[in-house]
Amino acid sequence: DQQVKQNSPSLSVQEGRISILNCDYTNSMFDYFLWYKKYPAEGPTFLISISSIKDKNEDGRFTVFLNKSAKHLSLHIVPSQPGDSAVYFCAATGGTSYGKLTFGQGTILTVHP
Amino acid sequence: EPEVTQTPSHQVTQMGQEVILRCVPISNHLYFYWYRQILGQKVEFLVSFYNNEISEKSEIFDDQFSVERPDGSNFTLKIRSTKLEDSAMYFCASSLLAGGNSGELFFGEGSRLTVL
Repeated sequence: DQQVKQNSPSLSVQEGRISILNCDYTNSMFDYFLWYKKYPAEGPTFLISISSIKDKNEDGRFTVFLNKSAKHLSLHIVPSQPGDSAVYFCAATGGTSYGKLTFGQGTILTVHP
Repeated sequence: EPEVTQTPSHQVTQMGQEVILRCVPISNHLYFYWYRQILGQKVEFLVSFYNNEISEKSEIFDDQFSVERPDGSNFTLKIRSTKLEDSAMYFCASSLLAGGNSGELFFGEGSRLTVL
C-alpha cells in the first residue's frame, strides 16, 4: 500500500535552520492531511493538519503546504531545534473513511546543535 | 493533559495463545481506534469503533481479532490465536470527533506484542 509516501527516510539539519519534510499521495479521495511526530517508545503525537480547501496552514514554527495538483504536501519547521529530532509521519484521510488514517513510512529528522 | 493509556507495555506470548491488549481512551472521546506498526514498517489502521460497534476495519482485522468496550472506560483488542506475524507495536487512539475531521487522534504509547 503506497498511497502515502515519504521518500526521504532521514533528514539532518543544523539548529536554527529550516527543516523541510516531504510527502506524496496518490489517492484522490484524500482530502485531509496530518503530520504526526513520534519519539522512541512513545505513540505518535499530532502536530498540524490541513484540509484540501487550503494550501497552507501555520502553527508557530510549523507550516504545512499542500499542492493538490501535484498531490504533494510538505512540513516546514523553522527555526529547527534539537528537541524536534524525532520521526515525522505524514498521514491522510478522506472520502467515507475519516476514521482511518493512512500513514507514510516516516522521516527521521535529526537537528544538530 | 489528558492522555490515552495502554497496558501492558510489552507482552510476550507463545504462538496460538490468546492476547488481550487494553486501552483507556480519553474520557470524553467518542471514537476509538487500534493501529499497529510492525518493526520497520508503516503504522497501519486496524479498526475504528463508535457507538459500541465497529465503524470500519482493515483487511488485516480478520476473524482472529475482536474489539470490545466492556465498560465505560476500557477499550480492548483481543487476538484469539496469535501468529508470529502478529508481532508488532499496537497503538490505541481516541478522538472527540470522527478522526481526521477534527484533525487529531490522540495515541497511547503502545503495547509491544512479541509472539514466539
